[in-house]
Parts: sequence; structure tokens; C-alpha cells
Amino acid sequence: GIQVEQSPPDLILQEGANSTLRCNFSDSVNNLQWFHQNPWGQLINLFYIPSGTKQNGRLSATTVATERYSLLYISSSQTTDSGVYFCAVEEYGNKLVFGAGTILRVKS
Amino acid sequence: EAQVTQNPRYLITVTGKKLTVTCSQNMNHEYMSWYRQDPGLGLRQIYYSMNVEVTDKGDVPEGYKVSRKEKRNFPLILESPSPNQTSLYFCASKATGHSGNTIYFGEGSWLTVV
Repeated sequence: GIQVEQSPPDLILQEGANSTLRCNFSDSVNNLQWFHQNPWGQLINLFYIPSGTKQNGRLSATTVATERYSLLYISSSQTTDSGVYFCAVEEYGNKLVFGAGTILRVKS
Repeated sequence: EAQVTQNPRYLITVTGKKLTVTCSQNMNHEYMSWYRQDPGLGLRQIYYSMNVEVTDKGDVPEGYKVSRKEKRNFPLILESPSPNQTSLYFCASKATGHSGNTIYFGEGSWLTVV
């Protein structure tokens, strides 16, 4: 099956700093999504982005499907950005395969 | 409001006592799925369903059952829970075909088996 790797595994930022999270996947995909898991465990959809670039406020994402990677950019980070960021790609049968996540801690 | 609702959100139970975690979605989605999340392992799929009366095993189905008698509901059944099923569980739903591929997750159910 598809392998999904995320980097870095851990990231500590000072409030106001920018960051880039990466997701590599081992095969072509029809669907790629980014999620944020907040400290209460809730999974929040950030982007559905099988290709191209999207922006939503301080967050943006780019997927280069031909090179099998996606990037999530967080600008001017805030403490509320803390949590775990997951990348997930769709395999056969609508199954989502998740990466192990990036744990982000933003310090004030 | 589009949502996936899971119950209970928090549960502590004893080994061997059957329990059911309910999941309901109001978006008329064909596809529904259950995941468990464990530290260091990310989210792993337990079971999924492509439509009513159609269910299939995911990566970690042992110890679980599901049913899909109605489109909106997809309960997860633990017939004889064991401590290694202590985990955070998520139900999810998604439209299939060209109507949209965003997956929606419930808020999660924290299950502890002692």
C-alpha cells in the first residue's frame, strides 16, 4: 500500500515564526488532505489538495502530485496553532492512509 | 450543520463487557469508516463501508464488528473488549464519486478498557 511520511516529527516555534511541514507519499493519489488535531483530540480539516496551491488565512498548502509531495505552510504562528498536523492520502476503496503526524508546539 | 456525531465521547469499561460506539452523519454520505489512534502509530483504519449493507475490513479489524443497516449510522461494536483496545476512536464519512472528496471526522471517542 501507499506509504506516507511526514517531516519533521516535532517542531517548536516561537510565536510569530513561520514554518513548513512536509508530506511525502510513495504512489500517485487522487486525494490528499491536511488535518490539524487540537489538544482536545478533535481532527479539523485544513485543506483538500490533491494538486496545486490553496490558501486559507495564515495557512497555505501546495501539492506537487508528479513529485509526490505536499507542503503545509504556517505563517506568523500563534499558540493556538499548536497540536498535531496530519497528512492523509486516499488509497483504493476510498481508504485514507495517514502519516505519523508532525507535533507542533508554539511558545508565547 | 454538516456533522458526524459519535457517542459516547468518553468511556471507561471493564474487560469483556460488550460495548457499542455509535456514529451518525447527516450529510447523506455513502462512505463511512472507523479509525483508531494510538501514540506513535497515527490513525489506522478498523472497518469501512461503501454503502448500506456493504462493509469491509481495514488494517486492524480484530476484536471489532460493524454494521450498516441505514445510510446515516455506522456503529462500532466491541463484543469482548480487552485492554489493548484502549484508544481514541474516530468515525468518518465522505461522499463518493464526483460530489466531493473531503472526509469529515467525528469528535472522537476516548475508550479505556481496564
